[in-house]
Order: sequence, then C-alpha cells, then structure tokens
Amino acid sequence: DADVTQTPRNRITKTGKRIMLECSQTKGHDRMYWYRQDPGLGLRLIYYSFDVKDINKGEISDGYSVSRQAQAKFSLSLESAIPNQTALYFCATSESDRASQPQHFGDGTRLSIL
Amino acid sequence: ELKVEQNPLFLSMQEGKNYTIYCNYSTTSDRLYWYRQDPGKSLESLFVLLSNGAVKQEGRLMASLDTKARLSTLHITAAVHDLSATYFCAVDIKKSSGDKLTFGTGTRLAVRP
Repeated sequence: DADVTQTPRNRITKTGKRIMLECSQTKGHDRMYWYRQDPGLGLRLIYYSFDVKDINKGEISDGYSVSRQAQAKFSLSLESAIPNQTALYFCATSESDRASQPQHFGDGTRLSIL
Repeated sequence: ELKVEQNPLFLSMQEGKNYTIYCNYSTTSDRLYWYRQDPGKSLESLFVLLSNGAVKQEGRLMASLDTKARLSTLHITAAVHDLSATYFCAVDIKKSSGDKLTFGTGTRLAVRP
C-alpha cells in the first residue's frame, strides 16, 4: 500500500462545483502539504500544515481551502471550481524539523474543470 | 521572493553521453532537493543536499551544491534510456526545516538510442 494516498486519482467536473480532494498517510508524519502542478511551472505550494491545529497558506491559496481532520488526513477543497484550476494536484508529507529528509509525495489527482 | 530556475528545460541526449542540468536560485539557502518524475507519476526523491560543497551520487547521477554561487548541478554520466524523466530541483528557505519548498520548472530529459 502507498504511504501517501490521494483520492480520487482523476476527476472531471463543471465550473462552479464544489470539489474535495483527499489525502491520507501512513508514514506518521506531522507535516502535510498540497501542491498543484501545471505544465512549465513546476509545483507550487497551495497550503501546508505542521500539525492538526496549524494550517498555513502557501504561494497560491486563493480559491482553495483545506482541512486537517487528523494527523493522517489533509483535504483540499475548491469551493467553486473554475477552469484555470485544472491541474495535477499532489499531496506530500514530511517529518517535523527534519530538513535532512525529503518530502514524500502521493500519486497525484488529475483534475479537469470544464 | 525565492526564485528557482532550471536549465535546460528540455534535454534530448544520446545514450552513453554525459550532461549536466543546472539549478540556480535567488535567495540564500543551504537546503536543496532533487526529485525525479516519470510521466503521469509521482515525484521520487533523488538527493538531499544540506551544506555548501555537498556532493551526492547514486548510480549515473551526481548532484552538488554551491551555496555561494546559489547553484546546484545534476550530472548525468553515460546516460541510459531508463533515466528519461523530468527532474526537479527544490529549494528550502534558510532557517526553515525542509517544509517550504520552492520548485524549479523542471528539466525534461529524453535519452535516445
């Protein structure tokens, strides 16, 4: 089983719909992240959470919200989806205060908004 | 604002040849990460570089970090087809703990026979 699991893997929806992407991890890491990947732009940080009570905005948080339901679960919501939110979304985890350890990524959710 | 630039963006190289991918960044940092991504797949960690002069090697890949020049390199030796992928560098802001990564745009590597 994957250490970082994202659901769904693919989603097609319409403009204006509310969408939730879910991420769960079995690595026991405190820190979790949401990124989006667009062609030619690399990955950009949307939100990150250091623990259940600590949530922070990243580089491109407008139009998104998150919920850290438990140490192992971190959800990303698009309240009213728009076409330019079409992208590949990744969840990642890392250990606290362990710069020597890289972030670990899920398999991604491909989201298309029509 | 931290900016991370990779070049080249696309690299087509012949099997058996050597080449280097460059990662330049704009703000002082001593934490740099290299990742590999296969098409449609997740990101896989390759190297973690945590100090000036750090050098890491794994198989045909070798990564180095020069914090004074704000430059990291990923050197490919005697390329093989299995190395075809997109490679990303990611930089952590100094005094952080490996959590706020800024990614480069990626270098898409295609190794041809």
